Amino acid sequence: KAGVTQTPRYLIKTRGQQVTLSCSPISGHRSVSWYQQTPGQGLQFLFEYFSETQRNKGNFPGRFSGRQFSNSRSEMNVSTLELGDSALYLCASSAQGARNIQYFGAGTRLSVL
Amino acid sequence: SQQGEEDPQALSIQEGENATMNCSYKTSINNLQWYRQNSGRGLVHLILIRSNEREKHSGRLRVTLDTSKKSSSLLITASRAADTASYFCATDAMTGANSKLTFGKGITLSVRP
Repeated sequence: KAGVTQTPRYLIKTRGQQVTLSCSPISGHRSVSWYQQTPGQGLQFLFEYFSETQRNKGNFPGRFSGRQFSNSRSEMNVSTLELGDSALYLCASSAQGARNIQYFGAGTRLSVL
Repeated sequence: SQQGEEDPQALSIQEGENATMNCSYKTSINNLQWYRQNSGRGLVHLILIRSNEREKHSGRLRVTLDTSKKSSSLLITASRAADTASYFCATDAMTGANSKLTFGKGITLSVRP
């Protein structure tokens, strides 16, 4: 089976812009979770989608949003980018949910200038 | 604050030596997982131990869990240069049906050839 695929791998944006990141989970996995990783804060949970519904959400402002399509592919959107949004954004899929074994993609490195 | 906190933050050993990494957490858990991350890449699941288990083995990995002390340890025996990576513990807290994994900030392991 193909692994979790995230696109693009790298992004450079300027403050105030918006960005959309994409994640294709492992075939058959219905749960997709998103994480933000920074050197200072470590790995922080953004949200989980399961069967097109947001099932859980972390403590991030409303500028961070996501959605999941019927084929389980997920997108994450960040609007009005701030310098502090620069991070590695990781997507993970799971057969059973966000509390179970997560299979991670390689991540999208976002730099906000 | 992070649910799981790893100790030490960084560890440097010689190839062939054993590496022991510790994780402490705050609330009761369903399970605890260990993940590895090579520089700038996604995380890879290593091992999961449930709250009713005390020890688990997988190849050169040995994980212990002490729920009374709310702590876990990961032992890598006969380390190799390829084990150089960051290691994270992740806990699934018993907070309801839609709980999530909470990751620690990670331990940086360097294995010198």
